[in-house]
Amino acid sequence: AQSVTQPDIHITVSEGASLELRCNYSYGATPYLFWYVQSPGQGLQLLLKYFSGDTLVQGIKGFEAEFKRSQSSFNLRKPSVHWSDAAEYFCAVGARNDYKLSFGAGTTVTVRA
Amino acid sequence: SQTIHQWPATLVQPVGSPLSLECTVEGTSNPNLYWYRQAAGRGLQLLFYSVGIGQISSEVPQNLSASRPQDRQFILSSKKLLLSDSGFYLCAWKVGAGSGYGYTFGSGTRLTVV
Repeated sequence: AQSVTQPDIHITVSEGASLELRCNYSYGATPYLFWYVQSPGQGLQLLLKYFSGDTLVQGIKGFEAEFKRSQSSFNLRKPSVHWSDAAEYFCAVGARNDYKLSFGAGTTVTVRA
Repeated sequence: SQTIHQWPATLVQPVGSPLSLECTVEGTSNPNLYWYRQAAGRGLQLLFYSVGIGQISSEVPQNLSASRPQDRQFILSSKKLLLSDSGFYLCAWKVGAGSGYGYTFGSGTRLTVV
């Protein structure tokens, strides 16, 4: 079964600074990988996803993520954060033979002025 | 357009009371539907999923059950709530197929069992 680890529970970053959120997955084959964002009390919104091809994936809101097979990682980055990026971020992995997603525990991002 | 609705948004229930949370989708047919629970400080745990009417798969043994009485309706229930059932419940719907799939989530239900 697949699983996801997000090592950082909470990250604080200054507005305008860069952001990187870590995600490590466990899966026996090439996975489907996703990043979602959740604002307080809301559902999850898809930021980006990786299925195959170019390992650098561009998403919405200026986010990108890079798939590194050798490290079993799919880290999320943003070059310059805005106060509106304060939220909880979830990495997820999906198997290729079914449509069930496994989510990490999430990383809460706080943006300070 | 394709949308997903989930209600109620907030619910406070006493221990031992029943529960019914509803999720409906519009603009599609025969969707795959999912119930996730998000406990405080934890990630999302898949509770149930359904690939069609009357077809329910349970991922975690627990105090909850799910039903799919209609194609675009997915219900999460409990006969007697426990304190540990508190959490944020999210319904999701698989959009797309093959290598282009993803999930669209409802806005969630905050359940507090007191």
